[in-house]
Amino acid sequence: QVQLVESGGDLVKPGGSLRLSCAASGFTFSDYYITWIRQAPGKGLEWVSYISSSGSAIYYADSVKGRFTISRDNAKKSLHLQMNSLRAEDTAVYYCARDGHGCSGGSCFSDYWGQGTLVTVSS
Amino acid sequence: QVVLTQSPSASASLGASVKLTCTLSSGHSSYAIAWHQQQPEKGPRYLMKLNSDGSHTKGDGIPDRFSGSSSGAERYLTISSLQSEDEADYYCQTWGTGFKVFGGGTKLTVL
Repeated sequence: QVQLVESGGDLVKPGGSLRLSCAASGFTFSDYYITWIRQAPGKGLEWVSYISSSGSAIYYADSVKGRFTISRDNAKKSLHLQMNSLRAEDTAVYYCARDGHGCSGGSCFSDYWGQGTLVTVSS
Repeated sequence: QVVLTQSPSASASLGASVKLTCTLSSGHSSYAIAWHQQQPEKGPRYLMKLNSDGSHTKGDGIPDRFSGSSSGAERYLTISSLQSEDEADYYCQTWGTGFKVFGGGTKLTVL
């Protein structure tokens, strides 16, 4: 079955860095776009970034552009999010999610989600 | 940029039906959306993709009690025979090249 398992969440000081990982199994990882989505405590879902199946196309939300970097290793079936210059407003549970197929332009809805990893930015 | 609008809350009785709405912003009425369910203290779960013509494709294991429909810029999620485990937050999502957008979510209370 499709599984996505995030890791790397931690307590970090403002201005610090953190690297999140997402381990995938149960599907051909290299065939799918993957997305990072976050949820601040008590708030709704916010798209962060997504990466195409080959890694050639990458997009970021304005709120993280220039600070976060998404990457993937198809051989290891893993996705990463390097987060730099962290701010208090980056505090959230971070989910990785697989994009479904059948959408024009590549980007698609999220059809499988991980359980999330908590990032807390506080002094 | 496309915006999705959802009512913050809804409620219905056990065994009844409820219809949740997600409204696409002006000029974006042709967009497909997806519905997701988030039960308390859990990660989201994909329910279905819903096209502008009302056709929909459900996720694995989603019961027949969940259905979708569309009218103009409105996208609906109907849950029939409400059960206690349906009490959750429901989010709509849309997407395009370079972006993904979520609605603010509707908190469903089962009375």
